[in-house]
Amino acid sequence: GAVVSQHPSRVICKSGTSVKIECRSLDFQATTMFWYRQFPKQSLMLMATSNEGSKATYEQGVEKDKFLINHASLTLSTLTVTSAHPEDSSFYICSASLQGAPNYGYTFGSGTRLTVV
Amino acid sequence: GQNIDQPTEMTATEGAIVQINCTYQTSGFNGLFWYQQHAGEAPTFLSYNVLDGLEEKGRFSSFLSRSKGYSYLLLKELQMKDSASYLCAVPLGGYNKLIFGAGTRLAVHP
Repeated sequence: GAVVSQHPSRVICKSGTSVKIECRSLDFQATTMFWYRQFPKQSLMLMATSNEGSKATYEQGVEKDKFLINHASLTLSTLTVTSAHPEDSSFYICSASLQGAPNYGYTFGSGTRLTVV
Repeated sequence: GQNIDQPTEMTATEGAIVQINCTYQTSGFNGLFWYQQHAGEAPTFLSYNVLDGLEEKGRFSSFLSRSKGYSYLLLKELQMKDSASYLCAVPLGGYNKLIFGAGTRLAVHP
């Protein structure tokens, strides 16, 4: 089945530094990927929609200059958290839409636990 | 805009049946998903309903009423491993971005 590989699975960084999270579709082409953030005991909050070869579409309240998304190929999307602060500590997870239609489903990466110290 | 509501927490006894409700108000409708998520892990697909009615899949069943903007997930013969969060989600917009409800944390007790 369709697999999205996400890494790193865990990362600890110092406040003020940047962290890059990668999501790769291993056996299919992901035209569109979605990036989510999840705080403890909360649900997945959509941050942005990433489209190959074009600018990402950010949800209201998400700072596009802080959360840089690049989708340079059909198999790779990256999220860079710039100038990270402790409040950015969260679980970040990507998802790809299969065939671009809901009835084909979505596949998720395994998530990245970011801790900013 | 959109609104997706679920109860925050539920508890149930091992072996029992539990129903987790989800109501939604969206502009347009392209189906409704249920996912299971254990802490620190990716969501796991449970069901996708696009037509009205009940769909059964083993111990899990999902129901949809489009006219009422209502769905439920029914879990039978509960097991301890069913303790998890259950997320209701709907695809919206041109890219069918998946929007999640707040999730229901289910605790199964012996």
